Amino acid sequence: GESVGLHLPTLSVQEGDNSIINCAYSNSASDYFIWYKQESGKGPQFIIDIRSNMDKRQGQRVTVLLNKTVKHLSLQIAATQPGDSAVYFCAENSGGSNYKLTFGKGTLLTVNP
Amino acid sequence: NAGVTQTPKFQVLKTGQSMTLQCAQDMNHNSMYWYRQDPGMGLRLIYYSASEGTTDKGEVPNGYNVSRLNKREFSLRLESAAPSQTSVYFCASGLGHTDTQYFGPGTRLTVL
Repeated sequence: GESVGLHLPTLSVQEGDNSIINCAYSNSASDYFIWYKQESGKGPQFIIDIRSNMDKRQGQRVTVLLNKTVKHLSLQIAATQPGDSAVYFCAENSGGSNYKLTFGKGTLLTVNP
Repeated sequence: NAGVTQTPKFQVLKTGQSMTLQCAQDMNHNSMYWYRQDPGMGLRLIYYSASEGTTDKGEVPNGYNVSRLNKREFSLRLESAAPSQTSVYFCASGLGHTDTQYFGPGTRLTVL
């Protein structure tokens, strides 16, 4: 899940396993959500997004689930690979004409070969 | 397509010095953003530009100025750098407010 304070939550998985990374968002008016991957020393990279009129969206090896009732977002990575090791964080747009994204602090995923 | 590019990649300044961080995008995006990323703080919005000719303050604008030079370029200026501005700075761009933001590789700034 998302971090509080200075230390990121971590998730350690074996290569080939499925990974699930969670995010709790705060604003019930948010209508657009994005998952980003950030490797060490690089900028955040877009993975997948979902709008509030959907509860599931699939990409290549990734699935995002949105539960608006409990304001929860999850990212599922199938057959996790060492190259998936990175910090993953969610972002929400609070709707209307708001241009601002609110970012979570991230979860560190480590994939063990 | 290069996407979002930033210069320089690294910079060391002394307190009180000034500098401008450059950002350009070739995706014909309307909106552009400047963020800073600090350990434990996540990404925080400094300034953004919804479209060419407009700029607005974000969450942490103090000590910074911006210029949306044209649709492609959005620069961030530190007039008098302070150690508290030591951070990694990311530029991003997007089609509009309901769309994904795409990030550049970042500028790692140290102020001594």
